[in-house]
Amino acid sequence: EPEVTQTPSHQVTQMGQEVILRCVPISNHLYFYWYRQILGQKVEFLVSFYNNEISEKSEIFDDQFSVERPDGSNFTLKIRSTKLEDSAMYFCASALGQETQYFGPGTRLLVL
Amino acid sequence: QKEVEQNSGPLSVPEGAIASLNCTYSDRGSQSFFWYRQYSGKSPELIMSIYSNGDKEDGRFTAQLNKASQYVSLLIRDSQPSDSATYLCAVHNNNDMRFGAGTRLTVKP
Repeated sequence: EPEVTQTPSHQVTQMGQEVILRCVPISNHLYFYWYRQILGQKVEFLVSFYNNEISEKSEIFDDQFSVERPDGSNFTLKIRSTKLEDSAMYFCASALGQETQYFGPGTRLLVL
Repeated sequence: QKEVEQNSGPLSVPEGAIASLNCTYSDRGSQSFFWYRQYSGKSPELIMSIYSNGDKEDGRFTAQLNKASQYVSLLIRDSQPSDSATYLCAVHNNNDMRFGAGTRLTVKP
């Protein structure tokens, strides 16, 4: 069964460094999403992406964040200058239509 | 502000009982509603979706939606210890999806 994959599974970085989190959505899916979940807290929507552009973003998704679909398979989330509070699990999700989303296993980001 | 509220629990039920999980949402324009299950340290796993008022059954799971009351629920019949997890209610509107904080369910053998 096709699934969403994410790399790396864990990332440790120093405050102020740039990180790129990678996702490979399910191959025929058209809608792509990033979420984050700070330890012990709820899953928070960051951004949705369709037809090579951002379709919606939350108040969390500020200028430090960007997303890209550089080729036909990868979907990336870049954090330009990481802060301590960016430490979280980051989930990528994809959907064929606008509704049922399938989540990847996540990348656990730790900012020191 | 689009809010999704759930009772955080923990909710504890004996094996074989019915577990009832509830969720309310604030955005009346919400169109689609989902229940996800999340085991500790893992990603959310879709259990059910519901789009129109009423009940929707899938195996041991029944989702109920009442848009007038802005209320969604999930019933798990014949609960098993493997159902022990955090259950997330998610509400979709246009291009974003908002999650509740989740209800932690424990099913005791």
